[in-house]
Formats: sequence, C-alpha cells, structure tokens
Amino acid sequence: GDSVTQMEGPVTLSEEAFLTINCTYTATGYPSLFWYVQYPGEGLQLLLKATKADDKGSNKGFEATYRKETTSFHLEKGSVQVSDSAVYFCALSVVTGTASKLTFGTGTRLQVTL
Amino acid sequence: NAGVMQNPRHLVRRRGQEARLRCSPMKGHSHVYWYRQLPEEGLKFMVYLQKENIIDESGMPKERFSAEFPKEGPSILRIQQVVRGDSAAYFCASRGVSEQYFGPGTRLTVT
Repeated sequence: GDSVTQMEGPVTLSEEAFLTINCTYTATGYPSLFWYVQYPGEGLQLLLKATKADDKGSNKGFEATYRKETTSFHLEKGSVQVSDSAVYFCALSVVTGTASKLTFGTGTRLQVTL
Repeated sequence: NAGVMQNPRHLVRRRGQEARLRCSPMKGHSHVYWYRQLPEEGLKFMVYLQKENIIDESGMPKERFSAEFPKEGPSILRIQQVVRGDSAAYFCASRGVSEQYFGPGTRLTVT
C-alpha cells in the first residue's frame, strides 16, 4: 500500500537557521505530493504541493522538490522564524477512479527559538 | 468565501454514548473526506463521500462508525457506543477540482 515516512521530531532550531525535514514515500501509482502545516489547536493548511517529477513546490519561503528517482519530497527553508513553529505533515495522493484520499506521514514538530 | 466548517469543536462523551460530528464543506464542493488523528500521530483516512454516496470507506472501523453526506445539509460522522480509544481529533476536508481543504477539526474526548 501507499505510505509516507518522515523524520521524527521534534526539530529545534534557532531563528534564521536552515531547515530540512526529510520525507520519503512509497506509492502504487503516480502520486501527487504535499506538505501540510498544523498550528496548535488548528486544522491542516496546505503549504505546498507538486504533481509530477522534478516539480518544485514553494510557498512562504518553504520549498520541496519532487524526486522520483529517490522517492523523496524533502521540505526546506533557508531561514526559519519563530512563527514557523508548528507540526509539518508530508502527504501523498494517488488518484484511483474518482477517489483521491491523502496518505500522511506521522508529522514532524518544529520548534524555533530566539 | 467561508472555509470548511466543523462543529462542535470540542465534544465530551461518556463511554457508551453516541457522538455526532458535523462537517459543512466549502461552497460548491461536493466531495468530503473524514480523517482521524490520534494523539501524537498523523492523520488516517476514514471515509470519502460525495453527495448521497459513500465512495470509499476502507478506513472506517467495521463497527460503531458510520458516515453520511445527504443531499441537503452537512456531512455527519456518527460514532455509536463510544470507547476511550475513540478519543481523537476528527478532521474533515472538502475538495473541489483537486486540492483538499481541511476544517479546524472536532476534538472528541471519551471519559
């Protein structure tokens, strides 16, 4: 079946540090890949996505590139801020018929300190 | 344009009671997904519905759980005879053309 593996957290960084959160996947078909962010007490917000190999999704300074050869979609940001503290989920979706459910990783908690 | 709405945001039930969770999708969306998030875990797919139809319920427990999305009104996730293990955050998402948009979730606590 489909699955997503993320690096375990928590990840603690100082403000302005470089961020990488690793994500790898296995899928039976050709997936679309997503990063979602969840702030405390809130639902998930789509951060970025990529739908085919070598696509780069980007938003709010975050980037991730769809690497089919390594089945990876690592999230990066050059300079994190305290406001980036949240839980980040990598996810994939494979369209089968009319269904397109999301399969999530377990999430990586990011804590950014001053 | 209002986002996905869920209510209640917090729900406390005693063991053996019923829990009803509601989800109103974004305007114009006719696809609804329900996910469950256990403490310190990722979201797990439960069920996918279109108006008046269950499309994929492969993630639903076989007993006590049911879902519907009537022609009029919100989607309902119903849990009968709740047990402590049902305590979790339940999120719904609605989809238009491609992306899923998530609601704020209902946090169910079973005492």
